[in-house]
Amino acid sequence: DGGITQSPKYLFRKEGQNVTLSCEQNLNHDAMYWYRQDPGQGLRLIYYSQIVNDFQKGDIAEGYSVSREKKESFPLTVTSAQKNPTAFYLCATRRGQGTTYEQYFGPGTRLTVT
Amino acid sequence: AQTVTQSQPEMSVQEAETVTLSCTYDTSESDYYLFWYKQPPSRQMILVIRQEAYKQQNATENRFSVNFQKAAKSFSLKISDSQLGDAAMYFCAYRSVLSNFGNEKLTFGTGTRLTIIP
Repeated sequence: DGGITQSPKYLFRKEGQNVTLSCEQNLNHDAMYWYRQDPGQGLRLIYYSQIVNDFQKGDIAEGYSVSREKKESFPLTVTSAQKNPTAFYLCATRRGQGTTYEQYFGPGTRLTVT
Repeated sequence: AQTVTQSQPEMSVQEAETVTLSCTYDTSESDYYLFWYKQPPSRQMILVIRQEAYKQQNATENRFSVNFQKAAKSFSLKISDSQLGDAAMYFCAYRSVLSNFGNEKLTFGTGTRLTIIP
């Protein structure tokens, strides 16, 4: 089946540890995005990538890092520098460079840091 | 910078009735896209409907339609014949037409939680 896979669905980490969230897609979409969702707030953009080996910071990139070595994969690392890492993280993709194309979302990963 | 405001944190509607969710936005751009996304309890974000700002005709997708008032910067979602499966958080989102760096993102409102009363 074509789609976006985020694993795991729930992730628990101790404070001070880095953690990497996985996002894989087999839609052959060019652009990929990471959003963060907190209670009572809308989604906020962390990083996005339009092509392999290139990515751009979003609104809240501090404390996060990404890589885009393959078209299919866009992992997000939450570093110990992120002050409030507990949140729901959503990965999204968009087809091509056309401005009409909407973003499609994965199922998300709930990260809890204690 | 663009902002999106959803002033109704919660709404409820009787099954089979019609409900309208409000969204306003602020932008200096003349061309852009607006979206409504649905997030059910599974938390998967699902696109409900899309509107291009240059189109005067309101978008419609089955039981979902929008009332797009460009001058008022208003983009409301109407759900007709509400069903139990419509219960979810609904997010309004804005995207610039420009696809160069810095305009790729969706700007989301804070959401409206819709409850369907059987």
